[in-house]
Amino acid sequence: GAGVSQSPRYKVAKRGQDVALRCDPISGHVSLFWYQQALGQGPEFLTYFQNEAQLDKSGLPSDRFFAERPEGSVSTLKIQRTQQEDSAVYLCASSFAGSGPTAFFGQGTRLTVV
Amino acid sequence: GQQLNQSPQSMFIQEGEDVSMNCTSSSIFNTWLWYKQDPGEGPVLLIALYKAGELTSNGRLTAQFGITRKDSFLNISASIPSDVGIYFCAGYSGSARQLTFGSGTQLTVLP
Repeated sequence: GAGVSQSPRYKVAKRGQDVALRCDPISGHVSLFWYQQALGQGPEFLTYFQNEAQLDKSGLPSDRFFAERPEGSVSTLKIQRTQQEDSAVYLCASSFAGSGPTAFFGQGTRLTVV
Repeated sequence: GQQLNQSPQSMFIQEGEDVSMNCTSSSIFNTWLWYKQDPGEGPVLLIALYKAGELTSNGRLTAQFGITRKDSFLNISASIPSDVGIYFCAGYSGSARQLTFGSGTQLTVLP
């Protein structure tokens, strides 16, 4: 597709459920980022991939959060045993190699934990 | 997590007026970026600034990279209804690959 695609757009989970959020980056983009955006706040970094390698996961808030990108294209962010504080919009962004900070963002997945 | 200090938090202006918002940080950044986010959408890049002191325009938008590398501002001239949205500044240091975002400025343009 032309842009970064995320699915689902909306997800409601009961507390304690596991969820998986998918990101399809722009074709050919080497770098992929996940951000978490709480209501009324700016996005906060979660993790970064270069191809299939997860080079930085310093922003993942707990060991319940796990991300993978096994073939260097599609990425999945998994949250285990969801808690109410996990409710947020999860944004995925991708960029060309060497393009520095100019990443393109997807529309996000709004996760609501009830 | 760390966020940049962005002000004002919200603005209500009349159509046709000019708007100014700014962002400050305690840390130095090598790149400053300004994004706009519409409801239900991801942030869209408006302007990127790569050098201290740089002044860059994109249509009615003008942004500057502060000389100290710890601040940036965005001006919007002759605002129109489609300028409504949330504007975010973001800093990039290079050593860390991620962007650090401000908390956003909610802009409302009144007819």
